[in-house]
Amino acid sequence: NAGVMQNPRHLVRRRGQEARLRCSPMKGHSHVYWYRQLPEEGLKFMVYLQKENIIDESGMPKERFSAEFPKEGPSILRIQQVVRGDSAAYFCASSLNGQANEQFFGPGTRLTVL
Amino acid sequence: QKEVEQDPGPLSVPEGAIVSLNCTYSNSAFQYFMWYRQYSRKGPELLMYTYSSGNKEDGRFTAQVDKSSKYISLFIRDSQPSDSATYLCADDSGGSNYKLTFGKGTLLTVNP
Repeated sequence: NAGVMQNPRHLVRRRGQEARLRCSPMKGHSHVYWYRQLPEEGLKFMVYLQKENIIDESGMPKERFSAEFPKEGPSILRIQQVVRGDSAAYFCASSLNGQANEQFFGPGTRLTVL
Repeated sequence: QKEVEQDPGPLSVPEGAIVSLNCTYSNSAFQYFMWYRQYSRKGPELLMYTYSSGNKEDGRFTAQVDKSSKYISLFIRDSQPSDSATYLCADDSGGSNYKLTFGKGTLLTVNP
């Protein structure tokens, strides 16, 4: 009974490169959420997706960040032209019914921008 | 979005102690309040949640809500070294039903 899976676990990019973070939800879960944890900060909501739909992207930076959850395959968080301030832990969570009290988190991807 | 404030700690207690972890919230419209445990370099693990109007007990863990003071507490009885972790409180951002607002976390160390 695999939990939420994220890869890669660690990602190093140079300024200006692209970062792609992947998230496979728990089996049977069709709701996916992305959160970002900056150093010394709490987790901040970024985006909520269901299969093929973005439900709420109010926490996403307006530029360079995008997310998708295709019909087949994992959810992808894409950061274009990364800057040092993007260095953080990015966590994906999934839920069965889209309820706040049932989000299960993955192990995270730690992005380092050099 | 309104904030969730959490005692930053760190908190260090001897094994067997009762631990009290606290948060305050500002958004009275929340429906659910969650407690997560996060070990170093790992993802948050859902410990338990309470509905806005009630308390909940699960083994050694008890979550309490005080709506008059907007105070949320997690009590850990008979604390164990394996309880050493960062504890995160979160609410559902005023009843959004999916968007969690987290506190910054309290680092707990239980010494054998």
